[in-house]
Amino acid sequence: GESVGLHLPTLSVQEGDNSIINCAYSNSASDYFIWYKQESGKGPQFIIDIRSNMDKRQGQRVTVLLNKTVKHLSLQIAATQPGDSAVYFCAENWYGGSQGNLIFGKGTKLSVKP
Amino acid sequence: GAVVSQHPSWVICKSGTSVKIECRSLDFQATTMFWYRQFPKQSLMLMATSNEGSKATYEQGVEKDKFLINHASLTLSTLTVTSAHPEDSSFYICSAKGRPGTLNYEQYFGPGTRLTVT
Repeated sequence: GESVGLHLPTLSVQEGDNSIINCAYSNSASDYFIWYKQESGKGPQFIIDIRSNMDKRQGQRVTVLLNKTVKHLSLQIAATQPGDSAVYFCAENWYGGSQGNLIFGKGTKLSVKP
Repeated sequence: GAVVSQHPSWVICKSGTSVKIECRSLDFQATTMFWYRQFPKQSLMLMATSNEGSKATYEQGVEKDKFLINHASLTLSTLTVTSAHPEDSSFYICSAKGRPGTLNYEQYFGPGTRLTVT
């Protein structure tokens, strides 16, 4: 089946720098995308989402960009802090699919150096 | 915001025994609940989807007789790992979704349950 993948499995950044985490998706029918943050031993925590009728959405210190032409999703974290260290997953959802299930990407581990 | 809890947060059981994990939506009615499994340094893999009052729909490769799912009420779903083996050791995460058209229609994740089978 189709799946969501990530370009970078690990990312190390200096505190205060901006972080960019990328994700490639393959299901052109997906119409909703979510970024999750998962800290060790915890469940996924919602960060930000975007629907396919948008190409950019901003939250507090985070921005998600969607490029449907190349099926690419990115998460930008501004002024990265040590507390941002975690594994980040993108997930896609196709409301036309069964139950509206989420399909998770492989994850990128973000390490923030003080 | 919507809160989903899981119990226990961690459990150790002996090989061959069964263990039950509970998933509860604390402040909303979850018409659909999902169970995921996550092995170390890997992504979440959907195991099954359950709608309240209906039989669960299992993903390909997931044994329904081994992973029993019950969604008897709008706030509780249980996952029972029967005849557990060491390879079942994993992090099990549930998520819950409210009725279409409500504020809780998105998936909300529980904190996960760490299962270790010895």
